[in-house]
Amino acid sequence: NAGVTQTPKFQVLKTGQSMTLQCAQDMNHEYMSWYRQDPGMGLRLIHYSVGAGITDQGEVPNGYNVSRSTTEDFPLRLLSAAPSQTSVYFCASKKGVVAFFGQGTRLTVV
Amino acid sequence: GQQLNQSPQSMFIQEGEDVSMNCTSSSIFNTWLWYKQDPGEGPVLLIALYKAGELTSNGRLTAQFGITRKDSFLNISASIPSDVGIYFCAGLTGNQFYFGTGTSLTVIP
Repeated sequence: NAGVTQTPKFQVLKTGQSMTLQCAQDMNHEYMSWYRQDPGMGLRLIHYSVGAGITDQGEVPNGYNVSRSTTEDFPLRLLSAAPSQTSVYFCASKKGVVAFFGQGTRLTVV
Repeated sequence: GQQLNQSPQSMFIQEGEDVSMNCTSSSIFNTWLWYKQDPGEGPVLLIALYKAGELTSNGRLTAQFGITRKDSFLNISASIPSDVGIYFCAGLTGNQFYFGTGTSLTVIP
């Protein structure tokens, strides 16, 4: 079982560039979400989806877009990268009370 | 957003020592969870708590759901080097997880 797969694992962007962080899960979970992890701040919810075609904003959505065209995939798009978006990004899917996390994408914006 | 505060922020302990950490919230949760994040990995669920006052163990780990439903505690007994990592509490309400700020644990052999 692959679980939740994120790509890439590392990325460096220049300010103003755009990119998409990929997330795929093979567990047929309806609920998927994106978090960012910053030192001393825990995991903060960016966007989430309760099923294909449905997305909603979390705590820190500004500067990010998502879409959910299939149950399996939940990409996160940075429209115009800023240094404040330097962080570690985690995708997760949920079944019941259990969240399953990917390995994370470490993003640096210079 | 809902605030979950964890303490301590970091711990440096000798192998074999017991560890205690806690998590407090400004809001009530119906489910509390504890996750561990190994270096370079995503968080993994350790323990889930479903009702106030519940005490649950998973090997050397014991967690409690506070009776006010606004706090939770995690204890690790007889720590070993592989316990190193960041421990997160999380409260679940509806579909949303709210994560604590994390406790970084270092175990010195």
